[in-house]
Amino acid sequence: DVKVTQSSRYLVKRTGEKVFLECVQDMDHENMFWYRQDPGLGLRLIYFSYDVKMKEKGDIPEGYSVSREKKERFSLILESASTNQTSMYLCASSATRSGKNYEQYFGPGTRLTVT
Amino acid sequence: QQPVQSPQAVILREGEDAVINCSSSKALYSVHWYRQKHGEAPVFLMILLKGGEQKGHDKISASFNEKKQQSSLYLTASQLSYSGTYFCGTDPGAGSYQLTFGKGTKLSVIP
Repeated sequence: DVKVTQSSRYLVKRTGEKVFLECVQDMDHENMFWYRQDPGLGLRLIYFSYDVKMKEKGDIPEGYSVSREKKERFSLILESASTNQTSMYLCASSATRSGKNYEQYFGPGTRLTVT
Repeated sequence: QQPVQSPQAVILREGEDAVINCSSSKALYSVHWYRQKHGEAPVFLMILLKGGEQKGHDKISASFNEKKQQSSLYLTASQLSYSGTYFCGTDPGAGSYQLTFGKGTKLSVIP
């Protein structure tokens, strides 16, 4: 059974703290993604990675960075958390074969509250 | 730019049909559809590739018109289990690895 796991389901941090969100997939997928989900705004892509140590900015990368040192693990970093980063964060992974995008598998999400 | 989904929300009685539309301002290679139930992660339903392909998943089917840059999701004889938020994700192709998701359509099926 395919699996994407995220380090925490709920997280509360203070403004200015450095926050690490971790995601692990066990499907040997090339691609990994970080989204944030806010009511009425859908899923918005923060960053994605198509290979180890490779990363690309998504639609809303400001205030975030990422790290992918191993194929199965993709970390999202908030260098200095702010209240407007309070949100649900979803990690996903997918395979790419013959240039085609395959379905994305999502983790359960981390609800981050910054106070 | 996010694709536009319509309607934003719909309420159905069990057994009724619904159509959810997804429209993009960009040329598309494929369209993905996902469903997210309350408190859960989004789950993949189907992919539609360039070529007007139609796909089905149980009593849920979809079409893709690449000329119009639109896709529609058809839910037939809805069941309570169909309740959730439906997202389309658009893929421009050309070596892109990412999807751009719409804002979602909230579907509520009532007895």
